[in-house]
Amino acid sequence: DAGVIQSPRHEVTEMGQEVTLRCKPISGHNSLFWYRQTMMRGLELLIYFNNNVPIDDSGMPEDRFSAKMPNASFSTLKIQPSEPRDSAVYFCASSSHLLAKNIQYFGAGTRLSVL
Amino acid sequence: QQQVKQSPQSLIVQKGGISIINCAYENTAFDYFPWYQQFPGKGPALLIAIRPDVSEKKEGRFTISFNKSAKQFSLHIMDSQPGDSATYFCAASRGSSNYKLTFGKGTLLTVNP
Repeated sequence: DAGVIQSPRHEVTEMGQEVTLRCKPISGHNSLFWYRQTMMRGLELLIYFNNNVPIDDSGMPEDRFSAKMPNASFSTLKIQPSEPRDSAVYFCASSSHLLAKNIQYFGAGTRLSVL
Repeated sequence: QQQVKQSPQSLIVQKGGISIINCAYENTAFDYFPWYQQFPGKGPALLIAIRPDVSEKKEGRFTISFNKSAKQFSLHIMDSQPGDSATYFCAASRGSSNYKLTFGKGTLLTVNP
């Protein structure tokens, strides 16, 4: 299995632009997570999907952030409009409730820089 | 509110030495305590995990020690190798919402050859 695949790996954009981050979870996994990692705040859970349905979005910082999971093999995290304080590494992770449900498998992340 | 406190922030160890990273938690409802390892440019990956019904779990050179009464757990890396150089995160989750991992801030481990 190729693991969790995220794209792009790096994104540089200007303040006010829309940014879309993409994630393909591991096939067969039914849970998907979006995290943000910064030096100051560490790893923060933004949103959690189970069977494509958003279960917990309490970590989404504000209305500028939105996430979708149209099917079991694809999810997006969108920031509109982007701001410099959104600069961080964004990770997607997936897990299976059928097998070792506590284990989350992370993608390599997208490093976002908002100028 | 930081529910999982991790120390030290950084650690330098000589090859062959023992690396020790500590974590303390506040929520007594936590019942799953994993450690994740992250190499530069990569996502975190599960290294080892423990539940509070045991006080120690060992996998190869990696051992978790768990002290329920003190609400503390630690990672010990025996015979540390340069390839162990990475950032280590402790985490915790609880009960029915065990999907929600609360992470510590991380420890950057450097093992010198």
